[in-house]
Amino acid sequence: DAGITQSPRHKVTETGTPVTLRCHQTENHRYMYWYRQDPGHGLRLIHYSYGVKDTDKGEVSDGYSVSRSKTEDFLLTLESATSSQTSVYFCAISAGWKNYGYTFGSGTRLTVV
Amino acid sequence: DAKTTQPNSMESNEEEPVHLPCNHSTISGTDYIHWYRQLPSQGPEYVIHGLTSNVNNRMASLAIAEDRKSSTLILHRATLRDAAVYYCSRTYKYIFGTGTRLKVLA
Repeated sequence: DAGITQSPRHKVTETGTPVTLRCHQTENHRYMYWYRQDPGHGLRLIHYSYGVKDTDKGEVSDGYSVSRSKTEDFLLTLESATSSQTSVYFCAISAGWKNYGYTFGSGTRLTVV
Repeated sequence: DAKTTQPNSMESNEEEPVHLPCNHSTISGTDYIHWYRQLPSQGPEYVIHGLTSNVNNRMASLAIAEDRKSSTLILHRATLRDAAVYYCSRTYKYIFGTGTRLKVLA
């Protein structure tokens, strides 16, 4: 598609286990973002990255960490998954900050039981 | 509070224009306004963005109020394939609105 893939597409995990979601891009874009989407809340930013090893928190960052060791990969980790983290997670990329649209991945549906 | 508000849902007849509103009353002078749409079981798709002037592309038009506290996404002739959830967003803190579900009636 547009050079952005998320893996896995679906995951079921148990409460208390660590989980890592991967976002991979082939566009060489500088900015990468992780959002979660829940009914009634729309899209909420978890973390974002503005370059290799440069990351910052978003609106709902508690319980999540990220890493970006290469331009093409942005990892989202739930250190100890909770049921409140059951959600659909979307990764997005953009070439720049304000004057650039986002390209979103297809999403990862995560269920924490 | 950097809120972006949209109506929950709207309806339109096929082949008629649709005006989707968004309020961003606390927007700053350098904050861009973006619009995305999301079809069921897909990620959001970029539609259009702008800063101060009205913008047009092959998908839609974006009308931005003079004070920039609101914007309107215009679909000139709605088709059944335009049925989706439409999100407006602002670049400050990368905030998205909660979206408007557009229903297009045949």
